[in-house]
Amino acid sequence: DIVMTQTPLSLSVTPGQPASISCKSSESLLHSNGKTYLYWYLQKSGQPPQLLIYEVSNRFSGVPDKFSGSGSGTDFTLKISRVEAEDVGIYYCMQSIQLPRWTFGQGTKVEIK
Amino acid sequence: EVQLLESGGGLVQPGGSLRLSCAASGFTFSKYTMGWVRQAPGTGLEWVSGISDSGGTTFYAESVKGRFTISRDNSKDTLFLQMNSLRAEDTAVYYCAKGYGFDSWGQGTLVTVSS
Repeated sequence: DIVMTQTPLSLSVTPGQPASISCKSSESLLHSNGKTYLYWYLQKSGQPPQLLIYEVSNRFSGVPDKFSGSGSGTDFTLKISRVEAEDVGIYYCMQSIQLPRWTFGQGTKVEIK
Repeated sequence: EVQLLESGGGLVQPGGSLRLSCAASGFTFSKYTMGWVRQAPGTGLEWVSGISDSGGTTFYAESVKGRFTISRDNSKDTLFLQMNSLRAEDTAVYYCAKGYGFDSWGQGTLVTVSS
């Protein structure tokens, strides 16, 4: 199975400052069709996860442009341009190239200083 | 608006069974692969099972293979997860999720396996 490794596991950010989360996969997530199946989710306290980014860099419907995704192959990054209180929660990356085995990263907890 | 509503969770003894349901609305259910993802208390997300749009192909994590069965009724826009031989380590909130990229999630249903 593909292993997804996130760093850091926790992050404390001053409001208005940027934040960055790394996700590395044990195998390339580039499919032969040219797409890369890497996703980012945010899970706020007491809520289900919500999709932020699909296929590395595409913001899902309604996701503000302060969230951006980048990367290729096995190395990926989620960036929040200006962290606000509403961005607090746990961020997960996930791969879906190696179907039928979806796998998630361990999660990165983002808090406000 | 996409809505996914899980039900069927509860307290069950080790070795027991439960059947979870996920009622879908707001999209053409029969056109999407669907999945179940669980989250044990205080831990991260673990994919459990998936099913193709037609229901003809099913997928399971090794941790549940042979004990859980996923199915769907496209005439009723409903996804199911039959869970047998439950263990304490199956205790978790179970979410249903839409599509290969899990773009929408239900609120989850809590399954507690304990004597």
